[in-house]
Amino acid sequence: DVQMTQSPSSVSASVGDSVTITCRASESIRWLAWFQQKPGGAPKLLIYAASSLFTGVPSRFRGSGSGTDFTLTISNIEPEDFATYFCLQSGSVPLTFGGGTRVELK
Amino acid sequence: QVQLVQSGAEVKKPGASVRVSCKVSGHTLSGFSIHWVRQSPGDGLEWMGGFFPEDGETKYSPQFQGRVTMTEDTTSDTAFLEMAGLTSEDTAIYYCTTRPGLAAAGDHWGRGTLITVSS
Repeated sequence: DVQMTQSPSSVSASVGDSVTITCRASESIRWLAWFQQKPGGAPKLLIYAASSLFTGVPSRFRGSGSGTDFTLTISNIEPEDFATYFCLQSGSVPLTFGGGTRVELK
Repeated sequence: QVQLVQSGAEVKKPGASVRVSCKVSGHTLSGFSIHWVRQSPGDGLEWMGGFFPEDGETKYSPQFQGRVTMTEDTTSDTAFLEMAGLTSEDTAIYYCTTRPGLAAAGDHWGRGTLITVSS
């Protein structure tokens, strides 16, 4: 199985800050997605194929990386961005998620 | 508008089985590849399995292989997750979703079904 190590597990930020979240795969992968989840809700796709913005997602979300190292950057954080973020490798079975990063209001 | 409507919360005894349904509305089930993801209380996301049309088969996470069955009824546009031999560690919210991480699948999720396993 491909192990996805996500860091940090939590980060505090103020509105307007930038935050970077990292996912490292245990082997080289091709398909990496990022999701946002708010309490009581289902995950929502933000980024697919490592760097492509999903429909309707604000441009302040940016994904980058390849091989084993990937990042999600949220620029100029808005109040609605405080949530938990997960990465997902979807190129090999079993699909595997990172452990999640909680972005909290400082 | 596509919606995935899941069945309601259930409480089960250890050792029991459960079946969760996921009805597709606003689209036909045959146009989607349904996958199942679970989330234990306060924990992360765990992929359980799903259909891969390019291979023509349903694939399961090794963790659930042999204990979980995913089926579909195209006449009612409903997908099902059945899990046997429940333990307290299976207490979680179970989500159905169109193939996660694939933009072409549209990122549709059910609202989740809470399964509580308790004696």
